[in-house]
Amino acid sequence: SQTIHQWPATLVQPVGSPLSLECTVEGTSNPNLYWYRQAAGRGLQLLFYSVGIGQISSEVPQNLSASRPQDRQFILSSKKLLLSDSGFYLCAWSETSKQFFGPGTRLTVL
Amino acid sequence: QKEVEQDPGPLSVPEGAIVSLNCTYSNSAFQYFMWYRQYSRKGPELLMYTYSSGNKEDGRFTAQVDKSSKYISLFIRDSQPSDSATYLCAMSATGSNDYKLSFGAGTTVTVRA
Repeated sequence: SQTIHQWPATLVQPVGSPLSLECTVEGTSNPNLYWYRQAAGRGLQLLFYSVGIGQISSEVPQNLSASRPQDRQFILSSKKLLLSDSGFYLCAWSETSKQFFGPGTRLTVL
Repeated sequence: QKEVEQDPGPLSVPEGAIVSLNCTYSNSAFQYFMWYRQYSRKGPELLMYTYSSGNKEDGRFTAQVDKSSKYISLFIRDSQPSDSATYLCAMSATGSNDYKLSFGAGTTVTVRA
């Protein structure tokens, strides 16, 4: 069966610091991968998605970036965090129209 | 106008009641319809998945899709306190390999014991 992991689970970072969130999927090959952000009490905002290694599509212009160095690894990064980057970050994978989500990373930028 | 509209609630019901949730959408290309359940501080989990119009039942959960009205519903029978969560509708169109979903804002449900 497929499993999706995200780490860290919780992160508190100062404004201006760098960010690296990691997502890995087990039990599947060549999945589509997605990064979402969910602000408190709000819906899911798609940030990036990838249909293959090295292929990244950005949905929202911002100071975040994504990379897919391996088939089942998806990384979300920032060189300098802003206060507005605080939120709940979710990674998801799919092979069809069904998407399956990871446990999420709660990021607080102070 | 948002592509997918969902009343954010909150919705509070007594244990044993029927919970009725719905979403409307504007994109007639949507063919796949999903409901996700999200507990507080957790990732969403796929609850129901339907293709095109019709009903699907799974235990206490029933999903309905009316494409002619661009309206989908989720019913929870005999609701339990463990059903307290935020429910998100999601949908996607065919013809693209990115499988991107359009989400509703989510409805927060509380089932009172």
